[in-house]
Formats: sequence, C-alpha cells, structure tokens
Amino acid sequence: DTEVTQTPKHLVMGMTNKKSLKCEQHMGHRAMYWYKQKAKKPPELMFVYSYEKLSINESVPSRFSPECPNSSLLNLHLHALQPEDSALYLCASSQDLSSRSYEQYFGPGTRLTVT
Amino acid sequence: LAKTTQPISMDSYEGQEVNITCSHNNIATNDYITWYQQFPSQGPRFIIQGYKTKVTNEVASLFIPADRKSSTLSLPRVSLSDTAVYYCLVGDMVGSARQLTFGSGTQLTVLP
Repeated sequence: DTEVTQTPKHLVMGMTNKKSLKCEQHMGHRAMYWYKQKAKKPPELMFVYSYEKLSINESVPSRFSPECPNSSLLNLHLHALQPEDSALYLCASSQDLSSRSYEQYFGPGTRLTVT
Repeated sequence: LAKTTQPISMDSYEGQEVNITCSHNNIATNDYITWYQQFPSQGPRFIIQGYKTKVTNEVASLFIPADRKSSTLSLPRVSLSDTAVYYCLVGDMVGSARQLTFGSGTQLTVLP
C-alpha cells in the first residue's frame, strides 16, 4: 500500500472555527510532512515529524498546530484562521530523514477555504 | 537555503525528449536533488532523485554536473499524459534544521 490518505477533501471554515485535518499512511514511513500550496505556486514546507517527534517547524503561525499521535497518523489542528490561509494542504511521508531519501509520497490534499 | 530557478513553461510534441533544467547555485554539500510531477488538484508524485552524475530509472534520467549548481530532468518520448507541472526539490533534512525547497515549477505542455 503506497497510499497517503487525507481527510476531508474539502473544508470551508469561518475565522472563529476550530477544525482538524487528518493524514494517514501505512507504508511504515517514519517521516511525515505538512505542506501548504497556494494556486500556481510550489508547495511550502510547514512541519516535519521524524519518529513522531516534531523535527522542523518552518516559522508557521501558532494558529496551525500539528500533532503526530502515532507513526501512521498526522493531524493539523486549525484555529482562528485568516482568509489568506485558504490553500491546498498536503500531507506527505517518506522512509525517514536519516536515510536521505526524499522520495515523498503525497496525499491528494485538503482544499481549505477560510471565510 | 538553496534557491532554485526553473523555466516557467515548456511546450513539446508527443514522442520527443524533454529536458527541464533547474538552477541551484548555492546548493549545500549535503543537499540532494529530487524531481516531482504534479497534476492539477493532486499531490506531487516522485520522479527521481540524485546527488551527483547521472541517475536513470524507468521513467526519467537526471543529469547533475560536477559543480552541482544545476540539474536536468530528461523525459524520453513524452506523451500527452506527461502534461503537468514539474518541480525540482533541493535540500537535506539530516543533522541541523535544514529545509527542503521546491523550485517554482515548470509547466510542461505536450502537444499532439
């Protein structure tokens, strides 16, 4: 199984809402990533987890809060977002960071709209 | 952080070989170069990765000169289904908190 799944596919939320994005993989990968992608732009790295520990936090606003409950799951908790946070949020996984293999498997993304 | 530059777009015809170059002048010693393909409303898909010289797999080749300041993705005999955005990704995540930086992407359009 080389699939990364993300739920929901689409999400519309108000600026005062709290919501969560979910990501799951069953490839035994130990590195998991969150990216943000705006239209016609490349993905921007937000967070990286390695062996369930937060490894990289790319100066992302605190209204985005990642969580890695176990090696297969990755969540992104959203609170008090702004309209400019509307984007495609992509989850990815790779074998691990020490292997230096950046063959990341991406999910289909969650299309987020903040109203 | 490695800054990458790619052509914005390229056109090709079916059956031709396509070469897409990515410039990464300040690539670090430990940085790897990875290429991805992305279709609309989908996540990127891994194509190939290399560190130096030439790497080939079943779908593409990657050429990296000795100075590693650029890399060229070569797609042999493209088809209409190869129309997509192609990104180079440069970086390394081992040790210090380095970053993986996607290039701006190249829109490849394959014409019949």
